[in-house]
Amino acid sequence: DAGVIQSPRHEVTEMGQEVTLRCKPISGHDYLFWYRQTMMRGLELLIYFNNNVPIDDSGMPEDRFSAKMPNASFSTLKIQPSEPRDSAVYFCASSLSSEQYFGPGTRLTVT
Amino acid sequence: GENVEQHPSTLSVQEGDSAVIKCTYSDSASNYFPWYKQELGKRPQLIIDIRSNVGEKKDQRIAVTLNKTAKHFSLHITETQPEDSAVYFCAASMDTGGGNKLTFGTGTQLKVEL
Repeated sequence: DAGVIQSPRHEVTEMGQEVTLRCKPISGHDYLFWYRQTMMRGLELLIYFNNNVPIDDSGMPEDRFSAKMPNASFSTLKIQPSEPRDSAVYFCASSLSSEQYFGPGTRLTVT
Repeated sequence: GENVEQHPSTLSVQEGDSAVIKCTYSDSASNYFPWYKQELGKRPQLIIDIRSNVGEKKDQRIAVTLNKTAKHFSLHITETQPEDSAVYFCAASMDTGGGNKLTFGTGTQLKVEL
């Protein structure tokens, strides 16, 4: 199994632009999580899905952030419009049981 | 909601020595406590976890202890090696068997010196 796949691995964009991060979970996993990691705030859970349905989005910082999971093998996290304070590493993780498997992350830089 | 505190933020040990990282949690309903290791520029990876029905768990050079009454748990690494150098995160959640909403500690940068 290839593990959790994320794209792009690096994204540099200008303030105000729309950013879309993509994630493919491990096949057969029914939970998908989006995390954000920064030096200041550490690892934060943004939102998670179960069987493609959003269960808890209380960690989504504001309305500029949205996430979708149209099918069991694909999820997106969108930021529109992006701001410099959104610069971070965004991880996607999936699980079938308690253990969460993280993807390689997307390093987002907003200038 | 859950709050997890982790100490120390940095830890430097000599190769072969032991390292101990401590975490406290606030929500008495939490019953699942994983530890993740994150090497520089890499993804977090689970190294060991413990549930509240046990007080200690070991896996080779790594062990985790849990004190439910005091709401704290610790990671112990014995005979440290240079490849143990990384950031270690503790986390806490209610174990639902799948959709565990993990709250992470702030991380401990462990450096194992030759």
